[in-house]
Amino acid sequence: DVKVTQSSRYLVKRTGEKVFLECVQDMDHENMFWYRQDPGLGLRLIYFSYDVKMKEKGDIPEGYSVSREKKERFSLILESASTNQTSMYLCASSLSTGSLRSYTFGSGTRLTVV
Amino acid sequence: QQQVKQSPQSLIVQKGGISIINCAYENTAFDYFPWYQQFPGKGPALLIAIRPDVSEKKEGRFTISFNKSAKQFSLHIMDSQPGDSATYFCAAGLRVNYGGATNKLIFGTGTLLAVQP
Repeated sequence: DVKVTQSSRYLVKRTGEKVFLECVQDMDHENMFWYRQDPGLGLRLIYFSYDVKMKEKGDIPEGYSVSREKKERFSLILESASTNQTSMYLCASSLSTGSLRSYTFGSGTRLTVV
Repeated sequence: QQQVKQSPQSLIVQKGGISIINCAYENTAFDYFPWYQQFPGKGPALLIAIRPDVSEKKEGRFTISFNKSAKQFSLHIMDSQPGDSATYFCAAGLRVNYGGATNKLIFGTGTLLAVQP
């Protein structure tokens, strides 16, 4: 069964800490995405990557950065965590053919910043 | 122009009833409209999708109705079952090209559906 795996299901961090959220996909997908999900706001795109070492800003990139050193791994970095970054973070991947059906989400990491 | 407006925020339906969730968009450049289903503790999963050259698409108990002139689309769940209880997201997609193609999805705010037995 093909998967997008997020390393942590729950995470609690302190304000000001540097936080790494990891995502790995085993489908050989070219594209990878990071979203945050908040009640009443839906899913909002933070960053995406269309190739190794390539990245593009999404709709809400402020306070975040990303790293993609290998095709299967896409990391979201919170340089200095703040309480307003408490959220559910979802990783996704898709083929570069643009196939909608290939778009696959992970189960999410619920991050709490205290 | 990039927003997708979704309503209602929550919905309670009796088993066997019809669940209807509505979405509206502004950007006429969107070229496909998927619906995602999300169960607690899981990521969203593609349920059904439609392209703007079609007015209706049906897969089992799930139907998308699409009104291009009104820039609206809706999800109908016929014979709703307790197992359909989940959060549903509409989305609108743009295909953008970098090295290859990728799909930029703009999501609605979600509808929490509860189907009562």
